This record gives sequence, structure tokens and C-alpha cells, in this order.
Amino acid sequence: AQSVTQPDIHITVSEGASLELRCNYSYGATPYLFWYVQSPGQGLQLLLKYFSGDTLVQGIKGFEAEFKRSQSSFNLRKPSVHWSDAAEYFCAVGDRKGATNKLIFGTGTLLAVQP
Amino acid sequence: DAGITQSPRHKVTETGTPVTLRCHQTENHRYMYWYRQDPGHGLRLIHYSYGVKDTDKGEVSDGYSVSRSKTEDFLLTLESATSSQTSVYFCAISKTSGGSDTGELFFGEGSRLTVL
Repeated sequence: AQSVTQPDIHITVSEGASLELRCNYSYGATPYLFWYVQSPGQGLQLLLKYFSGDTLVQGIKGFEAEFKRSQSSFNLRKPSVHWSDAAEYFCAVGDRKGATNKLIFGTGTLLAVQP
Repeated sequence: DAGITQSPRHKVTETGTPVTLRCHQTENHRYMYWYRQDPGHGLRLIHYSYGVKDTDKGEVSDGYSVSRSKTEDFLLTLESATSSQTSVYFCAISKTSGGSDTGELFFGEGSRLTVL
């Protein structure tokens, strides 16, 4: 069965600085990978997804993520963080496209942005 | 926005009482899900539905039941609430393409339940 780990519970960055949030997964075949963002008091919103093809995927709000099979990672990056990016970020892994009922979520990384 | 509304948004109840949470969608999506969110656990799937009257269990289904009598409504029921069911509950839908589940989830805003 697949699993996903987000090693960082909290991260604080300065506004304008670059950001990288880590996500490691465990799965024998090619996983389906997602990043979601949750603003306070809101539901989760899909930032980006990887199913196949180019390992660098672009998402909304200026985010990107890179699938690295050799490192079992799918880290989320942003070159310049804005105060509005403060939120909780969740990585998720699935075993095949469309098997949403099998999606496994990480425990989340809470991002704080300081002026 | 996938037109998902959850009700109630907040509820406080006592141990042993029944509770029903409602998820309503306006876009006729086939697949609907109920998750719970707890600190340190991320989101965990409780039950899901793949059509009217078609439901199945998720990872943490004990103590919960669901019903889907029409496409737009997916109800989550706690027959006898316990303190361990204090949580934030999220409804979600996944969109289809060519009849197949795309795997992309769209979430409601959540229902915060406190069981005293």
C-alpha cells in the first residue's frame, strides 16, 4: 500500500523568499501525486497534480513541483512567497488515475510567512 | 468552485446523540466523499459514493453510515456520537471525464463537530 510523508510540520519563510515543501512517498509503481492547499477555515484546493509525462509540473498561484522517482519525492516549490501563501499544504498519493477512494494524504505542512 | 455546500458548518452535541451532516452539490457529479480531518492525521476517508444508492467504506468508517438517495445529496450519519468523533468533516466531489473519475478532488468548506 502507498504512503506519504511530509517531514516538516511547520515552516516559516520571509515574504519574497523562495519556498520548498517536502513530500516523500512510498509506492512500488508510478504514483499519482497531488498537492493541495488549505487556507484557514476553508476546504482544500488543488494546486497541481502529476500523472505522467514531464516530471516538472506547473500549478496555480505560481507553484511548481518536481517528481523525482529516484528520491521518491514530489517537492513543492515557489520562487517568491507572498503573504497570502500562508496556509497548510497537503501532499497526496494515489495508486492509479481515478482511484480517488484510495488517495492517501500526508499530515500537512503549515506555512507561515513573515514580513 | 464545484458548487458544494455543507450543513451545518458548526455543531456541538453530546455523547450518544445522533448527528447527520449534509453535503449538497449543484453540478450532478457522480463521485462524492466524506473525509475527516484531525491534527497529525491529515485527511482520512470515511465513506464514498459512486452513484445514487451506491456507497462504500473508506479507511475510517466505523461508527459512521452514509446515504445517497439523490445525486445532489450525500448524508453522513453518526448514529451515536462519541468524543473521538470530534473533528472537522469535509465533503468532496471528484469530476469525471469521459465517464471516468479524473482523480481531482474539490472540497466543501467543512463542518466542525464537537462531541462533549
